[in-house]
Amino acid sequence: DVKVTQSSRYLVKRTGEKVFLECVQDMDHENMFWYRQDPGLGLRLIYFSYDVKMKEKGDIPEGYSVSREKKERFSLILESASTNQTSMYLCASSSLSGGGGNEQFFGPGTRLTVL
Amino acid sequence: QQQVKQSPQSLIVQKGGISIINCAYENTAFDYFPWYQQFPGKGPALLIAIRPDVSEKKEGRFTISFNKSAKQFSLHIMDSQPGDSATYFCAAMSQGGSEKLVFGKGTKLTVNP
Repeated sequence: DVKVTQSSRYLVKRTGEKVFLECVQDMDHENMFWYRQDPGLGLRLIYFSYDVKMKEKGDIPEGYSVSREKKERFSLILESASTNQTSMYLCASSSLSGGGGNEQFFGPGTRLTVL
Repeated sequence: QQQVKQSPQSLIVQKGGISIINCAYENTAFDYFPWYQQFPGKGPALLIAIRPDVSEKKEGRFTISFNKSAKQFSLHIMDSQPGDSATYFCAAMSQGGSEKLVFGKGTKLTVNP
């Protein structure tokens, strides 16, 4: 079974703190994604990585950065956490589609609260 | 052009009824249309997907209907069960382009016993 794990299920941080969210996948997938999920807004892509050290901005990258030093690990960094970054954060991975569809496998999510 | 519009936002159905969720898109380059199912406390998981060379795909009680000319696709859940209560997301992507999925905003389905 494909497994995507996220370092924390729940996290509480203070405004201004630097926050690291870690994601690890065990299926040798090329692509990894970070989304945030908010009620009524669905899944919004923050950043996407298609290879080690490669990244691409998603729809809402402001206030976030990412790091992918190893193929299996993709980190989301909140440089200076703010209250409007309180959300559920979901990591996902997928293999290169190659015309055969592109299932994304999601982790269980990290619920981040910024006080 | 990149949006996928999903409706309704929430849906309540009686056990045994049919649940229908609709999505519409604008980008004609989209050629892969998956539906994801998310239970509370879990990440979304792929439920069923379709490509535009067919108008319908069925897997058990779940059916995707696809209307290429109208740029619409829908999920039908037949004989809905309380265990189907979840949030459903439609999505779309262009397989020849970016590896990114564009998601709808989700539909919270409640199936009453």
